[in-house]
Amino acid sequence: QSALTQPPSASGTPGQRVTISCSGSNSNIGSNTVNWYQQLPGTAPKLLIYSNNQRPSGVPDRFSGSKSGTSASLAISGLQSEDEADYYCAAWDDSLNGRELFGGGTKLTVL
Amino acid sequence: QVQLQESGPGLVKPSETLSLTCSVSGGSMTSYFWTWIRQPPGKGLEWIGYIYYTGSTNYNPSLKSRVTISVDTSRNQFSLKLSSVTAADTAVYYCARTMAGKVHYYYYHMDVWGKGTTVTVSS
Repeated sequence: QSALTQPPSASGTPGQRVTISCSGSNSNIGSNTVNWYQQLPGTAPKLLIYSNNQRPSGVPDRFSGSKSGTSASLAISGLQSEDEADYYCAAWDDSLNGRELFGGGTKLTVL
Repeated sequence: QVQLQESGPGLVKPSETLSLTCSVSGGSMTSYFWTWIRQPPGKGLEWIGYIYYTGSTNYNPSLKSRVTISVDTSRNQFSLKLSSVTAADTAVYYCARTMAGKVHYYYYHMDVWGKGTTVTVSS
């Protein structure tokens, strides 16, 4: 069981806006920044959002991130078929000696 | 443009040690953290640990007793050793360049990933 909780699945139709949630605790999301990774089928994960709401160069502005308290969200607007992928949230956790935690992942299906 | 490439045996016997190397090209290892992550078949991502270019390390508590990560900046490589492997260690192993630090909060994000290498533990 992951320490960061995501819904296992999400779906939307082309052009729609979808959001994926990520819930944690005071020792991770509540204290540190949240990142989102996109994993297309059969490929390595790719950094999609870092430091809660920053997009790396080349990531379309259709992708946005937010954080409030011990929860975070990834929003995808203008959904496209190529957005069908697994999405993972991640955050540093201060417990023990510190460690990076991932959410369990959300499989996004574009209907 | 920085690129990472994992290499190592694709098959390891139970109770033996898994050894992988990540080769870094197109950039320096200086000032970065370097992370190993794994993904069992059909499952999510698991953080294994990191090494700073100076050699300081931090490991996942659940793997700490079996993991060693080392760095050789002269060869632009860092390595993973995981001892006493079992079938549960079967996974795709990724290496990643990592930006990390602490302001009032920790930031830690992996901005460049290798393509991954599949390791199967089986006799």
